[in-house]
Amino acid sequence: RKEVEQDPGPFNVPEGATVAFNCTYSNSASQSFFWYRQDCRKEPKLLMSVYSSGNEDGRFTAQLNRASQYISLLIRDSKLSDSATYLCVVNTRQNSGGGADGLTFGKGTHLIIQP
Amino acid sequence: NAGVTQTPKFQVLKTGQSMTLQCAQDMNHEYMSWYRQDPGMGLRLIHYSVGAGITDQGEVPNGYNVSRSTTEDFPLRLLSAAPSQTSVYFCASSLWTGDNEQFFGPGTRLTVL
Repeated sequence: RKEVEQDPGPFNVPEGATVAFNCTYSNSASQSFFWYRQDCRKEPKLLMSVYSSGNEDGRFTAQLNRASQYISLLIRDSKLSDSATYLCVVNTRQNSGGGADGLTFGKGTHLIIQP
Repeated sequence: NAGVTQTPKFQVLKTGQSMTLQCAQDMNHEYMSWYRQDPGMGLRLIHYSVGAGITDQGEVPNGYNVSRSTTEDFPLRLLSAAPSQTSVYFCASSLWTGDNEQFFGPGTRLTVL
């Protein structure tokens, strides 16, 4: 089973709609969870961290379900500028010898907001 | 602050050539890392460093070397380029550990012929 799985999409959504992405992770010991945004031919940038109690940042809401090992991102009132690839990210140990924590990235979900 | 900078932005190599991708950060971050991003594969960790003088392997280290002589710089060396190393390479840094927010550089697009 892949460590972090996402539906690659693309999700084609009309402007103003609400869209939700899910992501599942395999490592039950993971403690840190994030959503990153990546625009075409650009570097990934942190969108928001995901906390156990769920958290909201403007039009964006992130939720974590530890029992089922999935993370969700909800975007309300979508804008044209929300078009991007959204990467689900969880922390992992880098090697079995107990190396430093790092991040494992999902392959991303491509979102296209249509006017 | 310039953040994380990478040079060059684009590079074309022939098979067997060697080169160094440069990465620097001015945020005094301890943790630095190199990723490659391929279509359909997502970001994969090549090497990382938790501080000056300390480096370790990530998920896909073969064919690459790194060093961390200063906190600011973390160059990635391709020893003998192969077409399989055609990719986009991102350098990233974070304040303390690898599971904090990662700040990425703009990337280097490498083509190996």
